Amino acid sequence: DIQMTQSPSSLSASVGDSVTITCRASQSISNYLNWYQQKPGKAPKLLIYAASSLQSGVPSRFSGSGSGTDFTLTISSLQPEDFATYYCQQSYTTPRTFGQGTKVEIK
Amino acid sequence: QVQLQESGPGLVKPSETLSLTCSVSGGSISSYYWSWIRQPAGKGLEWIGRIYSTETTNYNPSLKSRVTMSVDTSKNQFSLNLSSVTAADTAVYYCARESSTVTSRSFDYWGQGTLVTVSS
Repeated sequence: DIQMTQSPSSLSASVGDSVTITCRASQSISNYLNWYQQKPGKAPKLLIYAASSLQSGVPSRFSGSGSGTDFTLTISSLQPEDFATYYCQQSYTTPRTFGQGTKVEIK
Repeated sequence: QVQLQESGPGLVKPSETLSLTCSVSGGSISSYYWSWIRQPAGKGLEWIGRIYSTETTNYNPSLKSRVTMSVDTSKNQFSLNLSSVTAADTAVYYCARESSTVTSRSFDYWGQGTLVTVSS
């Protein structure tokens, strides 16, 4: 299985801050990397697919980059509704695997 | 707008079989992979497996011996059976659609999730 490792596991930030979450794959996954946002009691929501493509309807303050084994999710100006847990997920091969999650909390 | 809705018992006894169904509306179940994903309380996401509309399946090796998935294209539904459950199988279970192109594959639609508790 491909292991996905996110860092940090949690972070505290203020509204307006720029935050970056990193995700590392245990082997090359090309650009088959997706990012999801999950709020308490809700299903995950797709934000970024294919490492850098913005899902329809997702605000442009979200961006993704990377290829191979190292990827980043950046939120350029944190809004109150962005406080949530973020997961990366590889779709290069089965079994599909997720990172352990990064919880973004209000400072 | 595609919508997914999980249904099934919220309580299952240890050693019995967990059975869930996902009903798809607003779009056809054909020509997509459909996955089951679970999340224990306070923990991360675990992919259980997927089924294509032609009944091709892929299962997570960690659960493969206990998982069976099926699809009913006439009802636009697909199902999960997980046998010999233990307390470790207690989780919120999600169904999700995997959208694929030449260069991308992602879970673009999700059900709301259903909590299944394994307890006697």
